[in-house]
Amino acid sequence: ETGVTQTPRHLVMGMTNKKSLKCEQHLGHNAMYWYKQSAKKPLELMFVYNFKEQTENNSVPSRFSPECPNSSHLFLHLHTLQPEDSALYLCASSQAGTGVGNQPQHFGDGTRLSIL
Amino acid sequence: QQQVKQSPQSLIVQKGGIPIINCAYENTAFDYFPWYQQFPGKGPALLIAIRPDVSEKKEGRFTISFNKSAKQFSLHIMDSQPGDSATYFCAASTSGTYKYIFGTGTRLKVLA
Repeated sequence: ETGVTQTPRHLVMGMTNKKSLKCEQHLGHNAMYWYKQSAKKPLELMFVYNFKEQTENNSVPSRFSPECPNSSHLFLHLHTLQPEDSALYLCASSQAGTGVGNQPQHFGDGTRLSIL
Repeated sequence: QQQVKQSPQSLIVQKGGIPIINCAYENTAFDYFPWYQQFPGKGPALLIAIRPDVSEKKEGRFTISFNKSAKQFSLHIMDSQPGDSATYFCAASTSGTYKYIFGTGTRLKVLA
């Protein structure tokens, strides 16, 4: 149990579908992250939320839309995805704040997304 | 300059051996260097981390060696076990940012 729970664990969707990925952290952290993990590539940071405010959008296509209603929950809304979007999507959380030094990021087990 | 170069891509050692995984960086502003371990079907789990004010850090069988002048850091696994078979990622970040720059990963297999 990592303290970061992601659902669903697996998702298969067509290119025209709309779906959402959910992440919940039970660690009392105030920063949450979405990463994309593809084979033989470094983990790619997609979005960062600090105290519910988006502080980073790493040039992610608009077909990915994040939502952070509170410090414990993070969503990734998916719409009109492409086959190259098939990957493992990882959520992470950490303590963070203005001027705070680096804190360890704790990852969930990810959602394996397959686009048909 | 934002890259972290990790090698080797894969590594096979016998039980009891000492696998060494290397990472190199260019950005001298990096000041936090964590290592993550990932098993199949699981997310990355923090293993050990180091800051550049020390040259070595040990936690159990895992040791990070840090060479600030060479801008390199390495993970050593002492007395490796089959249960250590996993993918290992190094990362680097700068204080005050939320960005981790990850290496491409090393797939380690420890033979029984």
